[in-house]
Amino acid sequence: AQSVTQPDIHITVSEGASLELRCNYSYGATPYLFWYVQSPGQGLQLLLKYFSGDTLVQGIKGFEAEFKRSQSSFNLRKPSVHWSDAAEYFCAVTTSGGYNKLIFGAGTRLAVHP
Amino acid sequence: DAGITQSPRYKITETGRQVTLMCHQTWSHSYMFWYRQDLGHGLRLIYYSAAADITDKGEVPDGYVVSRSKTENFPLTLESATRSQTSVYFCASSKTGTDNEQFFGPGTRLTVL
Repeated sequence: AQSVTQPDIHITVSEGASLELRCNYSYGATPYLFWYVQSPGQGLQLLLKYFSGDTLVQGIKGFEAEFKRSQSSFNLRKPSVHWSDAAEYFCAVTTSGGYNKLIFGAGTRLAVHP
Repeated sequence: DAGITQSPRYKITETGRQVTLMCHQTWSHSYMFWYRQDLGHGLRLIYYSAAADITDKGEVPDGYVVSRSKTENFPLTLESATRSQTSVYFCASSKTGTDNEQFFGPGTRLTVL
């Protein structure tokens, strides 16, 4: 069965520091991969997605992610974190079957120290 | 441009009562989804719909019923609420296919006493 693992439940970084959030997936075929962000009390917003092509994808708010098939990973990065980036981040993968059913990881909560 | 809305935003009910959560989207998206969000589980798919009058189960459908008589609405009903259904519920929609972004509503926080 398809699954997504986000190994880090909580991460704390200082403002201005770099950030990497890890995501590993288990999926037989080529996956479609997503990163979503959820601010407190809000719904989810798409940061970026990977379907095919260039394995380094750029998203909104200065985020990027790199698809590494050999490692089954899709890690999210940002070179310099802002206090407003404090939120929960979810990695997700689609299943097969054409119905766009997303399988989510458990999420990583990011705290940013001033 | 309202997008996707959910109502109510907060609901407290008692065990055994029937509860309906509403979801409405203004984009005429074909696909609609219901997720529940619980600590440690991320979001889990309850039901989805590929079009009006077409629905199917997701990962955790037990205790829930959905209908979709109109493209823009996708209500979720808890026929007899249980405490284990205390959660935050998110509705989402997407145009069609596997390569389309899902757009999420603001969520409904449901507490079952």
